[in-house]
Amino acid sequence: EAGVTQFPSHSVIEKGQTVTLRCDPISGHDNLYWYRRVMGKEIKFLLHFVKESKQDESGMPNNRFLAERTGGTYSTLKVQPAELEDSGVYFCASSRYRTPNYGYTFGSGTRLTVV
Amino acid sequence: DQQVKQNSPSLSVQEGRISILNCDYTNSMFDYFLWYKKYPAEGPTFLISISSIKDKNEDGRFTVFLNKSAKHLSLHIVPSQPGDSAVYFCAASVLNTGNQFYFGTGTSLTVIP
Repeated sequence: EAGVTQFPSHSVIEKGQTVTLRCDPISGHDNLYWYRRVMGKEIKFLLHFVKESKQDESGMPNNRFLAERTGGTYSTLKVQPAELEDSGVYFCASSRYRTPNYGYTFGSGTRLTVV
Repeated sequence: DQQVKQNSPSLSVQEGRISILNCDYTNSMFDYFLWYKKYPAEGPTFLISISSIKDKNEDGRFTVFLNKSAKHLSLHIVPSQPGDSAVYFCAASVLNTGNQFYFGTGTSLTVIP
């Protein structure tokens, strides 16, 4: 079984530019999550999709962040325009069930640097 | 405000000895707890979990202890091995209200050969 794939692995952009992160979950996993870790701090929840629907987007920092999951397969997270404080590692995770007794499966993350 | 705290950023242990990683939480509604292990440039991987109806869960060299009254959990690794060197994250959730996990800031464990 292929794991959760994230692309790109690294991105360096200038303040004010737009960046789109992509996540391909494990096939058959209806639940997809985005998390972010900023500079050695905790890993923080951003949002949760069930198939193509946003189940919980309470962690999205502001309206510069837009997440989509068209067709309930892969997901994108767009940051527009990017600010310096958006720098961090963005993790995507997926799970088959809504209450994952074994946690999620995480991707390797996208390291975003805004300069 | 951070609901899950790992107050030790780093820990060094000799190979063969016990590693004890600690985690405190503030939300008494949390009923499910996990530990994740993370190597550099990789995503966190699930290690072990515990439900609030238990106070101990064991899986091989890894044991998680939960003290609900103190809102404290710990991960014991015995014996520690060099391959255990990684960052360990504690995470908690209220399962019935959604499955967002709240993570701590992580503890970097170094096992010295």
